[in-house]
Parts: sequence; C-alpha cells; structure tokens
Amino acid sequence: NAGVTQTPKFQVLKTGQSMTLQCAQDMNHEYMSWYRQDPGMGLRLIHYSVGAGITDQGEVPNGYNVSRSTTEDFPLRLLSAAPSQTSVYFCASSYRGPGLRTEAFFGQGTRLTVV
Amino acid sequence: AQSVTQPDIHITVSEGASLELRCNYSYGATPYLFWYVQSPGQGLQLLLKYFSGDTLVQGIKGFEAEFKRSQSSFNLRKPSVHWSDAAEYFCAVGALGFQKLVFGTGTRLLVSP
Repeated sequence: NAGVTQTPKFQVLKTGQSMTLQCAQDMNHEYMSWYRQDPGMGLRLIHYSVGAGITDQGEVPNGYNVSRSTTEDFPLRLLSAAPSQTSVYFCASSYRGPGLRTEAFFGQGTRLTVV
Repeated sequence: AQSVTQPDIHITVSEGASLELRCNYSYGATPYLFWYVQSPGQGLQLLLKYFSGDTLVQGIKGFEAEFKRSQSSFNLRKPSVHWSDAAEYFCAVGALGFQKLVFGTGTRLLVSP
C-alpha cells in the first residue's frame, strides 16, 4: 500500500531558487492538501484542493503555488525560496465519506532547508 | 475562527502509568475532532476521530478520547503507557466535507522507565 508518497524526503535550496515538492496518492481521494510543520506551531495549511482543477488557499499560502491536473498528483511549487520557508512539508489526502465524514492520510514529509 | 489549544508542550510519564493529554478547541459549528501521533522523522498517523454520537471514542494502540461539548475539550487518554508511545501528539479540528484541518501545537510525550 503506497498511500501518499512525497518526494524528495530531504532538500537544501539556496535563497531565490525555485523547486517543486511532489505529492502523489493512489487511493483515488478527492481531497488533497499541503501543510508545513514548524517547531512550536503545529501544522499549518498552505493550499488545498477539493478535486482536479480546483485549488484554494489555506492559512499560509504566500510564496507557494499549487495545481491539480489529475486526481493523483498535487505538487507544491516554491517560486523563490526564502529562509522563512525552511520547514517540514506534509502532503495529505482524504476521501469524501458517508455523511461528508472524512479523515486525512499523510505522507512521510519533505524536510526543506533554505540557506 | 477555528483554533486548537494543547496546553502541555511536554509531558513525562512512567511506563505503565496512565496518560491524559489535553486538547481544547474553538469552533463555531459542530466540531469534527482528531488525534494524530507523530514518531520522530515520520508522518502523522491517525489515532482516533470524533464526528458525532458516543462521546467516548476508541482508537488504535489502546487510546481513547472523550468529547465534552460543555468544556470544548477532547482529551486523549491511555490507561497504561508503553515505551513505544513516546512521540508527539497532535489534536486537530476539521471542517465537515473537505480537508481543512487546524492543528494544535502538539504535546511531546516522554516515557520514563
């Protein structure tokens, strides 16, 4: 069972570089989302998607772009990396259950350092 | 706005002792509540969830949580802690219908011999 797969697991970027964090799920879930985890702050929602072609901003969207061209993939793009984006990034997917109930399944995370 | 408060940053419990991790939420409608566990360097694993019905919810690994609407709380409990329970625990509240979780800041559990 692959579940939610994130690549890469670790990445070091220089300030100003761009990159894409990949996220793929094989559970045919409608909903996908990106969170960042910082010490003492828990996880905060960056962007989310309720289906292919539909995305929206979360709590901390600045500096990040997303797109959802397929149900399976939800990449997160850093346009011009800044040290403040040093964090651990988690992708999650969830299903639309009975009575709109749902739960999130998380990937293993990508640890990003911006120097 | 939704918010979740986990007042304890760290908790140390002796192996075999009972555990209670506190979680208070603020949410304008019926809350949908979750507890996740994160082992070092790992992703998040769902322990249990509450949508409606019985206010005492059973989860995996012997954990349970009780929803108390009057206190806006969803505390996690385990009667006897094992060394393998050492991890970080997150409480979260979610909006019905799609994936927008608001997380607390987490409680790191240390288990002493």
